[in-house]
Amino acid sequence: EAEVAQSPRYKITEKSQAVAFWCDPISGHATLYWYRQILGQGPELLVQFQDESVVDDSQLPKDRFSAERLKGVDSTLKIQPAELGDSAMYLCASSVGTGWEQYFGPGTRLTVT
Amino acid sequence: KQEVTQIPAALSVPEGENLVLNCSFTDSAIYNLQWFRQDPGKGLTSLLLIQSSQREQTSGRLNASLDKSSGRSTLYIAASQPGDSATYLCAVNGGSYIPTFGRGTSLIVHP
Repeated sequence: EAEVAQSPRYKITEKSQAVAFWCDPISGHATLYWYRQILGQGPELLVQFQDESVVDDSQLPKDRFSAERLKGVDSTLKIQPAELGDSAMYLCASSVGTGWEQYFGPGTRLTVT
Repeated sequence: KQEVTQIPAALSVPEGENLVLNCSFTDSAIYNLQWFRQDPGKGLTSLLLIQSSQREQTSGRLNASLDKSSGRSTLYIAASQPGDSATYLCAVNGGSYIPTFGRGTSLIVHP
């Protein structure tokens, strides 16, 4: 069964360092989402791609976060510099198209010390 | 801006009970609504997707209903089992196809 892949699964970094997360969506899925989930809360959308294009990044803290999906397949989310408040689960999801059923990866648990 | 509320925030029940989890949203101009399950420290697993034109969807012991005009969806779990213990989240896809999640209902089913 096709799955969304994410790496790393866990990341511990010191504040002010750079960190990057990778996501490989289900093959053929045009839409890719990055979410941040703080413990006890629902996922918050950071950025949504349709192929290579950004559909929405209104909640992405652009002074420190960046996201790219250069070839419209896999994607990278970067934080530089990391802050203590960035400690959270970072989730990637994909769907056939915008508004279609979303499928999630296992997530990356980030701890900033 | 779409706001999604899930009630109750937490629920603890004995095995075998039938359960109703609620999800309400402020903007009824939605495209669809999706229910998910999340186990501790894991990603989300899709349970059911209801299109805005549908009133309900069923999968095994799960039934989800949608009343778009009143801004409500319910997830019904029949004959609950300890393996159903998890957090249940609803996500609303608005007219702009930007998904908004609720905070979830944490469910514990004890033997």
